[in-house]
Amino acid sequence: GQQVMQIPQYQHVQEGEDFTTYCNSSTTLSNIQWYKQRPGGHPVFLIQLVKSGEVKKQKRLTFQFGEAKKNSSLHITATQTTDVGTYFCAGRGGWETSYDKVIFGPGTSLSVIP
Amino acid sequence: EAEVAQSPRYKITEKSQAVAFWCDPISGHATLYWYRQILGQGPELLVQFQDESVVDDSQLPKDRFSAERLKGVDSTLKIQPAELGDSAMYLCASRSRNTIYFGEGSWLTVV
Repeated sequence: GQQVMQIPQYQHVQEGEDFTTYCNSSTTLSNIQWYKQRPGGHPVFLIQLVKSGEVKKQKRLTFQFGEAKKNSSLHITATQTTDVGTYFCAGRGGWETSYDKVIFGPGTSLSVIP
Repeated sequence: EAEVAQSPRYKITEKSQAVAFWCDPISGHATLYWYRQILGQGPELLVQFQDESVVDDSQLPKDRFSAERLKGVDSTLKIQPAELGDSAMYLCASRSRNTIYFGEGSWLTVV
């Protein structure tokens, strides 16, 4: 079936270090979204990427969408303790059905050591 | 700022009992989702509505789960009978264009 995978599952970094999480889809996506979930909270939308090879930045966060629209990455420069949480990618595509469906990856849990 | 409302926030129920969750999406959002999130995992889609119609319930365990959105606004997700493995957070979300907005979730513990 359709799958969205993420690596790593966990990442522990020293405050100030960089962090990257990678997302891969088993099929081509129409777009990909990224969400952040703080411990005990609910997923909050960060960004959407639509175009092949697209790169978007939000302050210290850089998001990329692969040329084949099957993979994506989120890079955080100089992590801060406020970056702690789980980062999910969510792929949207036809998934061989007549409507679009959003499938979430398993997430990467980021811990930042002060 | 408009939010997706869910209730109850927390529910403890005994196995074999019935439980129901309610969701009120952001006004005007035609697409409504119910996701289940087990601790440490990503949200798993249970059912997707477009207005009052179900467009995807392929991952919904239909022998015990049901969902409805009769007037195309608020929605109810029911589990009967609940099993121990149903313990999870049940997230409701609605969509505007390409952004999905999640409610705070309903935590279910089945004992």
